[in-house]
Amino acid sequence: EPEVTQTPSHQVTQMGQEVILRCVPISNHLYFYWYRQILGQKVEFLVSFYNNEISEKSEIFDDQFSVERPDGSNFTLKIRSTKLEDSAMYFCASSEVQGSYPYEQYFGPGTRLTVT
Amino acid sequence: KQEVTQIPAALSVPEGENLVLNCSFTDSAIYNLQWFRQDPGKGLTSLLLIQSSQREQTSGRLNASLDKSSGRSTLYIAASQPGDSATYLCAVTLRADTGRRALTFGSGTRLQVQP
Repeated sequence: EPEVTQTPSHQVTQMGQEVILRCVPISNHLYFYWYRQILGQKVEFLVSFYNNEISEKSEIFDDQFSVERPDGSNFTLKIRSTKLEDSAMYFCASSEVQGSYPYEQYFGPGTRLTVT
Repeated sequence: KQEVTQIPAALSVPEGENLVLNCSFTDSAIYNLQWFRQDPGKGLTSLLLIQSSQREQTSGRLNASLDKSSGRSTLYIAASQPGDSATYLCAVTLRADTGRRALTFGSGTRLQVQP
């Protein structure tokens, strides 16, 4: 069964460093997302990406963050100048499209980011 | 702003019991609702998706219902097993004409099934 994959599973970085989290969405999906979950808190939406551009972003997704689809298979989240409060589990998700609207979202296993 | 609430926050039952998890949302202009399972330190596994035009969906021992007008959904688990122990999350997306595509999540119900 197709699945969303994410690398690395765990990333440790120092405050102020840049990190890139990688995702390979399900191959026939056209909508891609990043969510995060701070330990003990709700899963929060960061950004969605469709047709090679950002479709929607939350107030969390400020200039520190960027997303890219560098090729036909990968979807990346870049965090510039990481802060302690960026420590969280970051989930990538993807979905098919119904008309122009995303359908059921499938999540990857997550990347645990620890900022020290 | 859409708010999703799940009750109870935690639940412990003996194996074999049937149980109901509750989810409520404040904005009834939803497109669909998904129930997920999350094991500790792991990703989210989609269990069921209900479109706004549907009343319920079933998958094996799981049955999810949706009452959009009252802003409620329930997840019914029949004949619970220790392997069902996990956190169950409810999440909704808003209608297409809102321009929103994101899932809004509840805090989850942590279920423990005792053997």
